[in-house]
Amino acid sequence: AQKVTQAQTEISVVEKEDVTLDCVYETRDTTYYLFWYKQPPSGELVFLIRRNSFDEQNEISGRYSWNFQKSTSSFNFTITASQVVDSAVYFCALISYNTDKLIFGTGTRLQVFP
Amino acid sequence: NAGVTQTPKFQVLKTGQSMTLQCAQDMNHNSMYWYRQDPGMGLRLIYYSASEGTTDKGEVPNGYNVSRLNKREFSLRLESAAPSQTSVYFCASSDPRGQGLYSNQPQHFGDGTRLSIL
Repeated sequence: AQKVTQAQTEISVVEKEDVTLDCVYETRDTTYYLFWYKQPPSGELVFLIRRNSFDEQNEISGRYSWNFQKSTSSFNFTITASQVVDSAVYFCALISYNTDKLIFGTGTRLQVFP
Repeated sequence: NAGVTQTPKFQVLKTGQSMTLQCAQDMNHNSMYWYRQDPGMGLRLIYYSASEGTTDKGEVPNGYNVSRLNKREFSLRLESAAPSQTSVYFCASSDPRGQGLYSNQPQHFGDGTRLSIL
């Protein structure tokens, strides 16, 4: 069975703080892909990053960085120097190569206060 | 770029009424999906279509039917709406395998349909 767990339901920080959103996944497949999506208050889902299971190199994009560790089945997302515009619900998701089903975590609501 | 277009954006139904949610994509994707989003539960897959002419059940298919009309369009029908189907519905499309082992392109989502059933 495949599963994505985002144990943090809600996180509140003050602007300029760093924050890490946790994602733990379960799969028996050796080839799979992990994603992060952002859902701002306006409701749309915005794709942030895709990572395949063969590439454990961490990635940085501006204030965003992702730490993929197969040994702990985790794909954590860090926002450095958070801003109010980062306030959103963030979803981690998993898909295996041989399926068309994207499995979502339950999401983490991030509130950044000025 | 239109991407994935869902109609309507909002709808209120009475229990027992029927309704079809429409979804169209202009990215020539093979796969299309319907999800529902409920508070505290993330997005759950209702049905998906890996290619034109095929549909498969997802995690929560009961009470819904789908039609993959052509490559562009994938509709979701509620035959007899129930209050438990009050939710936000998202349509998505992708080319999961694209070209090559490592392609797996992300799913592109529509803006959602907020459906309330009284």
